[in-house]
Amino acid sequence: GAVVSQHPSWVICKSGTSVKIECRSLDFQATTMFWYRQFPKQSLMLMATSNEGSKATYEQGVEKDKFLINHASLTLSTLTVTSAHPEDSSFYICSASMEGPLTTDTQYFGPGTRLTVL
Amino acid sequence: AQKVTQAQTEISVVEKEDVTLDCVYETRDTTYYLFWYKQPPSGELVFLIRRNSFDEQNEISGRYSWNFQKSTSSFNFTITASQVVDSAVYFCALSEAKKIKAAGNKLTFGGGTRVLVKP
Repeated sequence: GAVVSQHPSWVICKSGTSVKIECRSLDFQATTMFWYRQFPKQSLMLMATSNEGSKATYEQGVEKDKFLINHASLTLSTLTVTSAHPEDSSFYICSASMEGPLTTDTQYFGPGTRLTVL
Repeated sequence: AQKVTQAQTEISVVEKEDVTLDCVYETRDTTYYLFWYKQPPSGELVFLIRRNSFDEQNEISGRYSWNFQKSTSSFNFTITASQVVDSAVYFCALSEAKKIKAAGNKLTFGGGTRVLVKP
């Protein structure tokens, strides 16, 4: 149980184009989804937290107009990198957690999406 | 502010050796959760364990064991009789346990420890 998928697993795009990444919880309802960015040989950096049906909460320094997050249902969140540039090239990982009596939810991670912007 | 420190950036061992990964954390919360995740070369983070701050019992799962010591704010992870498949980056993480529903708990990650198990 607690499987999270991401699509696509990798994408190469030209500078200036927009890229959408999907994150789905396959066998549970995710009240909260998180988006992370990971540079090579570094730890995960939280970009934003999204709850179903409400606006995402972005971490300091993350441009909300650049990284659009939509959490339309309890099983789907999308991250759109708008007008991508080479510096946006990175490994993007989503995670999902379930609601509980105390939000001690474990985060279950997707397999990640490697974005390369030429 | 919460902080997680994994002082070892990389550990190299020969197969069948034991390896211990250190994790030290800082938090002002009295209730919190600690996690270990494994990130193999494929990139997907695999959940290994969650431990709450009230439970200091050590845990063993197969070749994996965890030693939680609140007095020293440490949550160390040992792989016994390591295998090549254990080669990965291992992350220790900390979250707070909120009492408000649907308030997603953020994870604070350590820098990760890369484990290389040589045959």
